[in-house]
Order: sequence, then structure tokens, then C-alpha cells
Amino acid sequence: RKEVEQDPGPFNVPEGATVAFNCTYSNSASQSFFWYRQDCRKEPKLLMSVYSSGNEDGRFTAQLNRASQYISLLIRDSKLSDSATYLCVVNGRGGDYKLSFGAGTTVTVRA
Amino acid sequence: NAGVTQTPKFQVLKTGQSMTLQCAQDMNHNSMYWYRQDPGMGLRLIYYSASEGTTDKGEVPNGYNVSRLNKREFSLRLESAAPSQTSVYFCASSLRGSQPQHFGDGTRLSIL
Repeated sequence: RKEVEQDPGPFNVPEGATVAFNCTYSNSASQSFFWYRQDCRKEPKLLMSVYSSGNEDGRFTAQLNRASQYISLLIRDSKLSDSATYLCVVNGRGGDYKLSFGAGTTVTVRA
Repeated sequence: NAGVTQTPKFQVLKTGQSMTLQCAQDMNHNSMYWYRQDPGMGLRLIYYSASEGTTDKGEVPNGYNVSRLNKREFSLRLESAAPSQTSVYFCASSLRGSQPQHFGDGTRLSIL
């Protein structure tokens, strides 16, 4: 089983729509969770960290469900510029310096 | 405001040639990482350096070596390049292992 699994999509949505997708992780001891964004042929960039109580950053909302071992990302009022691949990232406890990256969920926002 | 700088950005090699990918960060981060990314696959960790003076294997270390030259620099060496090593290589750094990683803009490597 992969450490981090994501629905690859693509999710094709019109501008202004809401889109949400999940990511599951296998290591129940994981302590840190992130969403990254990667544009075509570019480097991954941190979108937001995910906290236990859930958190928002503008139009983006992230949730963590430890019992079911998944995290989610919701994008409200989608913009054309939100078109990208979203990577779910999880790491282990304490001294584990290795982040595990999902293969990504592709979102395409159309005019 | 450079962040993580990788050189070169593009490289074409012949099978059996060697080369070193360079990475430097100016954020005073302790940990540095090398990944490869292939189409349809997630980032796979090749090697990492939790702190200056230490290096450890990641998920796919075969065919690669690394050197943590100092706190700023972490290089990746291909001793005898193979076509299977054609990929995009990313270097990243973080303040420490549990913190988010910041990426360089990648090296696109083709091996013929």
C-alpha cells in the first residue's frame, strides 16, 4: 500500500465552483500534513499546512481526519489560476525527516 | 531572495557519463533533500541530509551519491548515467524534518 494515495482526477470545474478532494495516508503515527501546489513543469510550492482542528487560507480549507487517516482540501469560488496539481504530503513522527508525497490530484478550472 | 538554487536547469548526457547536480539554499535550513519526479508518479526521495555532516538513503538511492558540502550546499552525483535516470530532479530544504520543504526549480535531465 502506498504511504499517501490521491485520486488523480482530473477534476474539471467551471469558474466560481467549489471543488473538494481527499487524500489517504497509511502511517497512523504521522504528525505533519501539508498541501502543495505544482504547476505544469514547475517545482512544488507549499499551499498550506493542515492542522488538527482544520484551517482556512482564503478560499482554501483543509481538514484532517485522524480516525480515518485522510486529509481533504476544498477550494471555493474557483479561479482559472487554481488550475494545477495538488500534492498531499505527510511525514512521520519526531526524527523522521522523510516526507511522503502523493502523486497529486489535477484540477482544471474552465472559463 | 534566492531560496533554493539548482544548477544546471537542463542537461543531456550519454549513457555511462557522470555528472553532479548542484543545490544551494540561503535560508539557513538544517535539512536538505534530493527527489526525482517521473510522469504520473509522485516525488520520490533519493537521499536526504537531516543536518550538516549527515546523509541518509531515501526510497530510490541506487545509482546516486550525495555530498553535504556545508550547511548551504547539497550535491547529487550520477557516477554512470543510465536511461532509467532520465527524470526531473528537485532539491529541497527545510528548517528541520517536520517543517515544510522549499523546492528549487528543478533540473531536467535526459540520458540517451
